[in-house]
Amino acid sequence: GQQLNQSPQSMFIQEGEDVSMNCTSSSIFNTWLWYKQDPGEGPVLLIALYKAGELTSNGRLTAQFGITRKDSFLNISASIPSDVGIYFCAGLNYGGSQGNLIFGKGTKLSVKP
Amino acid sequence: DSGVTQTPKHLITATGQRVTLRCSPRSGDLSVYWYQQSLDQGLQFLIQYYNGEERAKGNILERFSAQQFPDLHSELNLSSLELGDSALYFCASSVEGERNTIYFGEGSWLTVV
Repeated sequence: GQQLNQSPQSMFIQEGEDVSMNCTSSSIFNTWLWYKQDPGEGPVLLIALYKAGELTSNGRLTAQFGITRKDSFLNISASIPSDVGIYFCAGLNYGGSQGNLIFGKGTKLSVKP
Repeated sequence: DSGVTQTPKHLITATGQRVTLRCSPRSGDLSVYWYQQSLDQGLQFLIQYYNGEERAKGNILERFSAQQFPDLHSELNLSSLELGDSALYFCASSVEGERNTIYFGEGSWLTVV
């Protein structure tokens, strides 16, 4: 089945630093979604990408849908302590029987004040 | 607030018992997804319903079942519970379509003792 490789697995950074994480897949998706999850809570949607090459920002977050449709990255600029959490990428193909969302294993972000 | 409502938020039950988790999707969303997340694990897709019909099935045990009702709310039934079933169970919903976006509820914490 489809699998997503998300890296890095974890990051320890200083407040104010920029962060970059990415996801790659062995097959194509027509939607990429990025989520953040705080402990014990549900994943919160950060950015949705629908078109190959699309670059979308949400405040200090920027994500891109790779041209090959097999990858995506998320950047966080000028990190702050509340950025701490686990970030998940997810790929989705709508239609047919492949309706479910495939998740990466997450990137755990720790920010030192 | 994602608009996806899950109840109960916390549940403690004994091994061998049966529980039902409930989900109300966002207004207008026809698709409901169920995910399981164990401690320090990623999100495991269980099952998806679309407008009352099962659309996709993931790693759902035979002891688990789900359904989506005409008013689009969904229930996940977990029976013959084992200690290893202790996890966070998330419901998510989406409207489906070309710009599909999936929103998660806050989860139901199940502890089996």
